[in-house]
Amino acid sequence: EVQLVESGGGLVKPGGSLRLSCAASGFTFSSYSMNWVRQAPGKGLEWVSSISSSSSYIYYADSVKGRFTISRDNAKNSLYLQMNSLRAEDTAVYYCARVYYDSSGYCFDYWGQGTLVTVSS
Amino acid sequence: EIVLTQSPGTLSLSPGERATLSCRASQSVSSSYLAWYQQKPGQAPRLLIYGASSRATGIPDRFSGSGSGTDFTLTISRLEPEDFAVYYCQQYGSSPPFGGGTKVEIK
Repeated sequence: EVQLVESGGGLVKPGGSLRLSCAASGFTFSSYSMNWVRQAPGKGLEWVSSISSSSSYIYYADSVKGRFTISRDNAKNSLYLQMNSLRAEDTAVYYCARVYYDSSGYCFDYWGQGTLVTVSS
Repeated sequence: EIVLTQSPGTLSLSPGERATLSCRASQSVSSSYLAWYQQKPGQAPRLLIYGASSRATGIPDRFSGSGSGTDFTLTISRLEPEDFAVYYCQQYGSSPPFGGGTKVEIK
């Protein structure tokens, strides 16, 4: 069974840092691209960052570029998001999501349960 | 930048009724990259449809997707009580990739 379990969220002051983790199991983690998606309270989904299976390709939303760093450790079946210079508007539930594709198309087929990050003084 | 606009913002329907949700792109997109997700309060999004019309594993056949170019539709043929939720369309690979969502609420 595919499982994605996020951790590392919490309360942090503006300007602070936090590192999120996503532990993957039930599939060959090293074969899949992964993403971070966040959702501010009462708002819609916002894509944050993506990383290819071998970390060769990394992309960020403009809103986090230069502040957040995505990485992965395929030996540990883990995905990370290092968040620096946090702002109040970064407050959200952060989800990790797996990329799936076949002859029909591309999508995020599995999502973790999310971890809440609150940026407040 | 391709922007996805979902309409209506809220759809008020009764169980058993048909729901038609729209996702319009600001420019033509590949159907291969268009997906739909369902999200219930306090839960992670769940994949429903990808490639514009392919149902994900385990998704009931009352859910169907259609469309091409700039106009895509998610149809729920007969609403079940568990279908009342928020639905998002996604253009994989674009930024921003998600539409603003449509809430399907009980009338």
